[in-house]
Amino acid sequence: GAGVSQSPRYKVAKRGQDVALRCDPISGHVSLFWYQQALGQGPEFLTYFQNEAQLDKSGLPSDRFFAERPEGSVSTLKIQRTQQEDSAVYLCASSLLSRGGNGELFFGEGSRLTVL
Amino acid sequence: AQRVTQPEKLLSVFKGAPVELKCNYSYSGSPELFWYVQYSRQRLQLLLRHISRESIKGFTADLNKGETSFHLKKPFAQEEDSAMYYCALSGHGDDKIIFGKGTRLHILP
Repeated sequence: GAGVSQSPRYKVAKRGQDVALRCDPISGHVSLFWYQQALGQGPEFLTYFQNEAQLDKSGLPSDRFFAERPEGSVSTLKIQRTQQEDSAVYLCASSLLSRGGNGELFFGEGSRLTVL
Repeated sequence: AQRVTQPEKLLSVFKGAPVELKCNYSYSGSPELFWYVQYSRQRLQLLLRHISRESIKGFTADLNKGETSFHLKKPFAQEEDSAMYYCALSGHGDDKIIFGKGTRLHILP
């Protein structure tokens, strides 16, 4: 595809449900990032992959959050037992090089999660 | 700890007037700094980075290590500059990029 693709674009979950958010990065991009953006806030770093290796998961807010990128391409962010405070837009970004490619991240449109 | 501060949530400027979006950072080493922009109904995208010393769409930003600032400037605002602007930082040797909370720039006709 032409850019980073995320699905679903919108997800409504009842509190306690598990959700899975998918990210298809630009083909050939080495680095993949997940960010959480609450309403009126900037993107907050969650986790980073270089190929299939998860090199930094310091931003994951709790052990209910889990991310994987098993073949170094598509990534999934899973949130278990969702809580209302998990409501946010989840942004995925990819970069051609490691180390964020000198700052040029290509973002998807985001997955908006609403937890009722 | 790394931190990016954008003190203004909203900045309204008349068309043709100068624009300055403020960004201050906290980092103990040599950071790399960036400005990202999100136009209405579009994705977040890179506008410029300090290491390139470039001017994009008339915008420039100078890294001031003494004041730990990286303000974004444009001499004459245009209506199409209306957007959300995010200042971002990457620590030297670090992989992740952290973002400020953003400033909404509204260009008045």
